[in-house]
Amino acid sequence: AQTVTQSQPEMSVQEAETVTLSCTYDTSESDYYLFWYKQPPSRQMILVIRQEAYKQQNATENRFSVNFQKAAKSFSLKISDSQLGDAAMYFCACRTSGSRLTFGEGTQLTVNP
Amino acid sequence: EAGVVQSPRYKIIEKKQPVAFWCNPISGHNTLYWYRQNLGQGPELLIRYENEEAVDDSQLPKDRFSAERLKGVDSTLKIQPAELGDSAVYLCASSLGGRQSSDTQYFGPGTRLTVL
Repeated sequence: AQTVTQSQPEMSVQEAETVTLSCTYDTSESDYYLFWYKQPPSRQMILVIRQEAYKQQNATENRFSVNFQKAAKSFSLKISDSQLGDAAMYFCACRTSGSRLTFGEGTQLTVNP
Repeated sequence: EAGVVQSPRYKIIEKKQPVAFWCNPISGHNTLYWYRQNLGQGPELLIRYENEEAVDDSQLPKDRFSAERLKGVDSTLKIQPAELGDSAVYLCASSLGGRQSSDTQYFGPGTRLTVL
């Protein structure tokens, strides 16, 4: 079974600036995917970005990018040009083949105008 | 394309009462999941269906919780009787299916249950 750890319960950023959310994971599998989900106050979990463990190139989706350090088992999320709508709880998650999606504890992101 | 639909969005009940949640997955998604999310925590899997078969229900408290997915599409999660500790957000998710790690889950808006 895999584990996911988010060591930052809360983070804040000024509008238009950049923020990085940390995530570490542990798995003995070689085939796995990593995900970042966003959960605004509406409660709906929205997929932000995903990364395949076999790919060395970091995934990017518009203002969202990841820093995937496989050896260190680190998967941080960088949000550039932060917007007020980015304020939410962010969850890091890991899934290996045939197993459950395991979530971290979450990081509450506040965006200050 | 419609996303995962859940109802109701909110439910307040007295303890010992029954309650049911409904989920309609994304069209074409064979796998359906029910999660429970306690305040300030990440979601935890209760049960996973592959079509109409429950393939992972080890985390479902079977003494009071039940679920069904007739015809492999919609699903219902039931609690009877509810306890104070069942207050949480119940999330439904769906995915195309399969054991590969790339199988991505898409979530509904959840039902917030409050047990008084």
